[in-house]
Amino acid sequence: EAQVTQNPRYLITVTGKKLTVTCSQNMNHEYMSWYRQDPGLGLRQIYYSMNVEVTDKGDVPEGYKVSRKEKRNFPLILESPSPNQTSLYFCASSLIQGGEQYFGPGTRLTVT
Amino acid sequence: ELKVEQNPLFLSMQEGKNYTIYCNYSTTSDRLYWYRQDPGKSLESLFVLLSNGAVKQEGRLMASLDTKARLSTLHITAAVHDLSATYFCAVDGETSGSRLTFGEGTQLTVNP
Repeated sequence: EAQVTQNPRYLITVTGKKLTVTCSQNMNHEYMSWYRQDPGLGLRQIYYSMNVEVTDKGDVPEGYKVSRKEKRNFPLILESPSPNQTSLYFCASSLIQGGEQYFGPGTRLTVT
Repeated sequence: ELKVEQNPLFLSMQEGKNYTIYCNYSTTSDRLYWYRQDPGKSLESLFVLLSNGAVKQEGRLMASLDTKARLSTLHITAAVHDLSATYFCAVDGETSGSRLTFGEGTQLTVNP
C-alpha cells in the first residue's frame, strides 16, 4: 500500500531532550516536506527536500533540523525542544515538485 | 510574504444546500491545492489546480482557479453530512513547487 508513515504518532517529552520524528514513504517520491499545525495558524511549512541531500527552509525552520540521506526517509530532528514546539506535525511527499502531496498520519508532540 | 485567506472560516449548512468557500492569495501563483481534513485525521488531497481557468470536479465538490484575481473557489453542491470536515487551500509561492502556504481552513458542518 502506497503510504507515508510517521513515528512516533504521539510523544510527550521534556524541554531540552533531543528527539527525532521519522518519516518514510514507499512511493519513490522525490519531494518531501514537514509541516506543523497549530490552532488558529493552520499548517506552516518547516523544511522541505527536493531530492536526496537537497533540503531547504520553509516558513518556520527555527529549532528544527532535517536530513535526506535516502530518498524514502526524511527525519525531523529537534535538538533542544521547547514548549513552543508543542504541535501536530505532518510529513508529506509528492512525486514531483508542485504535484499532489500525500500526507502522513501526523505526530502529536507535547513538550513540557 | 505570501498570505492566503479563506472565508468563511466556519460554515454551517443544511443538507441539500449549495455553498462556496473562497480562497484569496496575495501574490502571483498558478498552483493552488485544496485539501480536506477530518477531525483527528491527516490531510487528504482533493484538487490540484495548475493554471488560470482550471476547473476540477469530484462528486459534489468543484474547484476553480482565477490567477488574475488571485482567487480560488470550492463549490459544494447539494451538501451531504459526509462532507463535514475542514477544508484548506494552499498556494505555491514559488515556481519550484516547493513552498506551500496554507490558508487557515474552513470548518464545514453539514446538518441533516
